[in-house]
Amino acid sequence: AQRVTQPEKLLSVFKGAPVELKCNYSYSGSPELFWYVQYSRQRLQLLLRHISRESIKGFTADLNKGETSFHLKKPFAQEEDSAMYYCALRAGTALIFGKGTTLSVSS
Amino acid sequence: NAGVMQNPRHLVRRRGQEARLRCSPMKGHSHVYWYRQLPEEGLKFMVYLQKENIIDESGMPKERFSAEFPKEGPSILRIQQVVRGDSAAYFCASSPPAGGPKETQYFGPGTRLLVL
Repeated sequence: AQRVTQPEKLLSVFKGAPVELKCNYSYSGSPELFWYVQYSRQRLQLLLRHISRESIKGFTADLNKGETSFHLKKPFAQEEDSAMYYCALRAGTALIFGKGTTLSVSS
Repeated sequence: NAGVMQNPRHLVRRRGQEARLRCSPMKGHSHVYWYRQLPEEGLKFMVYLQKENIIDESGMPKERFSAEFPKEGPSILRIQQVVRGDSAAYFCASSPPAGGPKETQYFGPGTRLLVL
């Protein structure tokens, strides 16, 4: 079955602390994975995609096919990183989303 | 570029009424996708359309739901005889034509439907 699992509903960290938002997937083919972010009162927007291997706003994510994971990491969290983060898997036409993790960064 | 537009942003309907949700894709985009987000859940794919064609409706409930994307005007998601379980956020996304569904999907702000 095609599935994306984000085990943490809420992650609270202090400013300057490292952040890791977990994402595991189940997919029989060659996966294409994304992280989307939704800031308060804003629309869902693409943060990064694994095929680009880029770093956006200090965030990186590496696809680990052995562990079927695509965890999102940032070495030093900022208060403006507080948002809802969704991991997504492209399966043909559709994107399959996890349930999301709320990241709360406090000073 | 104003981005993907959806209206209304909030819609309240009584059981048995019809709900019509509209989505205007980004300028130059000819592919539209509809997703539904139930409370405490992730977004679930419903349907993928191109102008005047439904390409993939594998996520659409078999009854009461329909979608269209006419040659002119916005894409419409129509829910007939709404029930309380239809209460959700409905998101539209669009992508440019070049790569089809392989392209990045850009999301609208969503329509929050509440069925009383």
